[in-house]
Amino acid sequence: GAGVSQSPRYKVTKRGQDVALRCDPISGHVSLYWYRQALGQGPEFLTYFNYEAQQDKSGLPNDRFSAERPEGSISTLTIQRTEQRDSAMYRCASSLGTDTQYFGPGTRLTVL
Amino acid sequence: KNEVEQSPQNLTAQEGEFITINCSYSVGISALHWLQQHPGGGIVSLFMLSSGKKKHGRLIATINIQEKHSSLHITASHPRDSAVYICALFSGTYKYIFGTGTRLKVLA
Repeated sequence: GAGVSQSPRYKVTKRGQDVALRCDPISGHVSLYWYRQALGQGPEFLTYFNYEAQQDKSGLPNDRFSAERPEGSISTLTIQRTEQRDSAMYRCASSLGTDTQYFGPGTRLTVL
Repeated sequence: KNEVEQSPQNLTAQEGEFITINCSYSVGISALHWLQQHPGGGIVSLFMLSSGKKKHGRLIATINIQEKHSSLHITASHPRDSAVYICALFSGTYKYIFGTGTRLKVLA
């Protein structure tokens, strides 16, 4: 595709449910990043992939959060046993290397 | 102290005004990225610069690496420029350090 796409764009879930957020990066981009953005704040780094390898997951808040990119393209961010404090915009970005990152539209997650 | 700070946090301007948004940082960087976040949430890259000045249309970005400061200027502002402008530091690895953004509203 022409840009980074994410799905779903909006997700409302009940506390305790698991959610999976998908990111489809720009074709050929080897680097993929997940960010979380709270209302009124800048994006906060969660994790980074180089191809299929998860190089850095230091930003994941706790072990309920995990991410994978099994074939070095599409990535899934999974949140288990969601809590209300997980409500935020989750953004994905991709880049050719470690240069300019191109951001997806985000998934707005609301945990009731 | 945050590694990157933007000012002002909020800015309201009249159409046609010259606007300046500032970004100061305290860490070493290889480049600085200005991003525009639209009211609908999408993030668009405006400039990535490591020295001097870049211009694109009505937007001008400058950076002074020695002073650890960058500015984004908008000339002849227009209501469609209303957005959140985010400064992001790039240290040459993969991580961005993001500012909290400047919320700009341009009134017609």
